[in-house]
Amino acid sequence: TQLLEQSPQFLSIQEGENLTVYCNSSSVFSSLQWYRQEPGEGPVLLVTVVTGGEVKKLKRLTFQFGDARKDSSLHITAAQPGDTGLYLCAGAYLDTGNQFYFGTGTSLTVIP
Amino acid sequence: ETGVTQTPRHLVMGMTNKKSLKCEQHLGHNAMYWYKQSAKKPLELMFVYNFKEQTENNSVPSRFSPECPNSSHLFLHLHTLQPEDSALYLCASSPYEGSAGDTGELFFGEGSRLTVL
Repeated sequence: TQLLEQSPQFLSIQEGENLTVYCNSSSVFSSLQWYRQEPGEGPVLLVTVVTGGEVKKLKRLTFQFGDARKDSSLHITAAQPGDTGLYLCAGAYLDTGNQFYFGTGTSLTVIP
Repeated sequence: ETGVTQTPRHLVMGMTNKKSLKCEQHLGHNAMYWYKQSAKKPLELMFVYNFKEQTENNSVPSRFSPECPNSSHLFLHLHTLQPEDSALYLCASSPYEGSAGDTGELFFGEGSRLTVL
């Protein structure tokens, strides 16, 4: 079992604030994905990053893959109540193709 | 609606029961997965099927038995479970094409909430 540590585990912020969530591992990944899960539903993909140092933006969300491909961050600007949910990172290895291992998760609550 | 349907959504069973979870996808994907989601634990990869062949059994106890009769259907047969097996069981599929560098998106169902008494 591979370990991906996410921090913080819980985050409660006011609407309009900025936040960053981190995903760290001691292993090198071929690709890393971020998902958001809402209560009663399965996780939904937000982004996939594959190149070390890669930065992707999705509206107010900015994703970065570390240069060594062992870590990633998710930054949300001007958080909104609709951003509330469980954020999960997931990594795949080059020699295991489509086997994705998930991080410990960050539960985000945005207070109106 | 993600195209992955899981039934039942909720299941309560005793430790001596036999039950099955069902997953169906109509996305034309070649890979299907079972994950276990427990409180305070990361999603645990249980089984992976690529082109109907099992390619991963992540040290899962034999009381969980997967079955993939075709590329659209995946079952998880449950037998003599323990209370600690209570969890949300998530099925997913992805458009795996067979190359090691595939980074296909996982499409999840809504999960089957299992309670073992």
